[in-house]
Amino acid sequence: KAGVTQTPRYLIKTRGQQVTLSCSPISGHRSVSWYQQTPGQGLQFLFEYFSETQRNKGNFPGRFSGRQFSNSRSEMNVSTLELGDSALYLCASSINQGDSPLHFGNGTRLTVT
Amino acid sequence: AQSVSQHNHHVILSEAASLELGCNYSYGGTVNLFWYVQYPGQHLQLLLKYFSGDPLVKGIKGFEAEFIKSKFSFNLRKPSVQWSDTAEYFCAVNVRAAGNKLTFGGGTRVLVKP
Repeated sequence: KAGVTQTPRYLIKTRGQQVTLSCSPISGHRSVSWYQQTPGQGLQFLFEYFSETQRNKGNFPGRFSGRQFSNSRSEMNVSTLELGDSALYLCASSINQGDSPLHFGNGTRLTVT
Repeated sequence: AQSVSQHNHHVILSEAASLELGCNYSYGGTVNLFWYVQYPGQHLQLLLKYFSGDPLVKGIKGFEAEFIKSKFSFNLRKPSVQWSDTAEYFCAVNVRAAGNKLTFGGGTRVLVKP
């Protein structure tokens, strides 16, 4: 079974631009979550989608948004990029919403210059 | 809001030594508990999880963890480490029946010297 696939693996953007990251969950998984990983703040929850509905949201500004499609694939978008948005963005999928472990992808490394 | 603290940021030990990583969480309700590991250059992988039942949980690669509810702790242990256990270890918590919003600890970098 293929794992969680995130594209692209690396991105370099300039301040003020916007970016879209993509995540394909494991087949059959309906929940997709996004996390930001930085050396200073560690792993922080962004949001979770289940059956195309946002079920949970972390404490990030509105510049961070996401969506989930009917095939469970998910995208997250960051608008008006800031230097502090440089991070590894991780996507994770699970079978159900809660009470099942998350399976993480390799992440997208975003660098904002 | 829940929080998770891992007591050690860095641990250095020799092969065959025993490993114990501390994890405490703060939340008064029912939680699910996890340990994830991130090997160099690899993605986060689940080591073990606790949902309910026996508080002593066994995971992959010889790891185990004990949930002590009265202490809000979920410490990870391995009796004898190998060089290949060099990695960063993360404790995580989510509130049961509230979705997949995991709160992670800050991580512990473990270096096992051959």
